Amino acid sequence: AQSVTQLGSHVSVSEGALVLLRCNYSSSVPPYLFWYVQYPNQGLQLLLKYTTGATLVKGINGFEAEFKKSETSFHLTKPSAHMSDAAEYFCAVMNYGGSQGNLIFGKGTKLSVKP
Amino acid sequence: EAGVVQSPRYKIIEKKQPVAFWCNPISGHNTLYWYLQNLGQGPELLIRYENEEAVDDSQLPKDRFSAERLKGVDSTLKIQPAELGDSAVYLCASSFNRGQGRTGELFFGEGSRLTVL
Repeated sequence: AQSVTQLGSHVSVSEGALVLLRCNYSSSVPPYLFWYVQYPNQGLQLLLKYTTGATLVKGINGFEAEFKKSETSFHLTKPSAHMSDAAEYFCAVMNYGGSQGNLIFGKGTKLSVKP
Repeated sequence: EAGVVQSPRYKIIEKKQPVAFWCNPISGHNTLYWYLQNLGQGPELLIRYENEEAVDDSQLPKDRFSAERLKGVDSTLKIQPAELGDSAVYLCASSFNRGQGRTGELFFGEGSRLTVL
């Protein structure tokens, strides 16, 4: 079975500082990996995804993530945090080969940005 | 283009009462999902529709939950009777999938927050 573990339920950074949100996955087949963002009282929105090819993927709002097979990780980074980045971030893996492609989400990491 | 629309946004009911949530997906999206999101948790799939067919309802508690997607467009999720533990946000999402080519890009509505007293 596939699963996702997000390290740290809450991360706080200062404005302008590096953002690093950690995600490790478990999968018996090559995974598709995703980061979604949820702003308060809103639905989830896709930030970026890795399917095949280049292991460093760039998403919206300056975020990027690197797929590292040897570490089974897909950490999300942004060089310089902005106040508008405050939100909850969810890592997800898609069970592509098994039950027809359902997304399995981690528990989420809430990002706070201090002025 | 309109996004995924859900209603109601908020619902407060007493336990044992019924409740229903409605979802209108993005036009042209053939796949519709209902997710449950408990406080401090990630979304968990309840049911997935491909057009009007429920292709994965393995996580739907069928003793009290039911769903339908008539004509392969709008969908309704019902709980009867509601229990205290059903308090959560119910998210609807849609996507367009061609055959086995699943992109994993889901478009979510804002959710329906249920409080059971």
